Amino acid sequence: GAVVSQHPSWVICKSGTSVKIECRSLDFQATTMFWYRQFPKQSLMLMATSNEGSKATYEQGVEKDKFLINHASLTLSTLTVTSAHPEDSSFYICSAIDNPNEKLFFGSGTQLSVL
Amino acid sequence: QKEVEQDPGPLSVPEGAIVSLNCTYSNSAFQYFMWYRQYSRKGPELLMYTYSSGNKEDGRFTAQVDKSSKYISLFIRDSQPSDSATYLCAMRGVAGNMLTFGGGTRLMVKP
Repeated sequence: GAVVSQHPSWVICKSGTSVKIECRSLDFQATTMFWYRQFPKQSLMLMATSNEGSKATYEQGVEKDKFLINHASLTLSTLTVTSAHPEDSSFYICSAIDNPNEKLFFGSGTQLSVL
Repeated sequence: QKEVEQDPGPLSVPEGAIVSLNCTYSNSAFQYFMWYRQYSRKGPELLMYTYSSGNKEDGRFTAQVDKSSKYISLFIRDSQPSDSATYLCAMRGVAGNMLTFGGGTRLMVKP
């Protein structure tokens, strides 16, 4: 299957700092990428849909100024958690659609811990 | 009622058993059906991808879709401890690319 690379796999930061997570499609171009959040023993919660060259579409309840998404190329989307607080601590996962197969592949996830 | 229902488990089976994982859904527009496996602290991995009704087999895994009953299944033969993970079903319609996920079933295969 197609490969989606996500970095870093884990990050610890101080409260008030910003953290950037990268998501790359390694062997295909992805016009659409998705960002999810997952709490322990819970399912995936879609945060936003990222389209190359345009603004991301955020799900209800997700603060767009807190979670900045940039999809500047067909192989790279980034999620920046701005002014992180302990309640932002979570497992963040990106995914990308492999066109024309239209299959969704996930990155390996990023565990964010905000102290 | 959720669009996609999936028993959260946990489902505990002995090694070598046949495992049956299931999802039901309410939206008749769903045409594409997927099963993902997620290990703890990892991203989901695509296991099976099927279109419309029917069966699909890949090694020890068999996916079944019954659109008339709005019911999909994943069977795992000769289950191994390494199959212990959370299994997520997902589905979408023809138009658009947004997936609707089940809540996931946690499977434990004991040696």
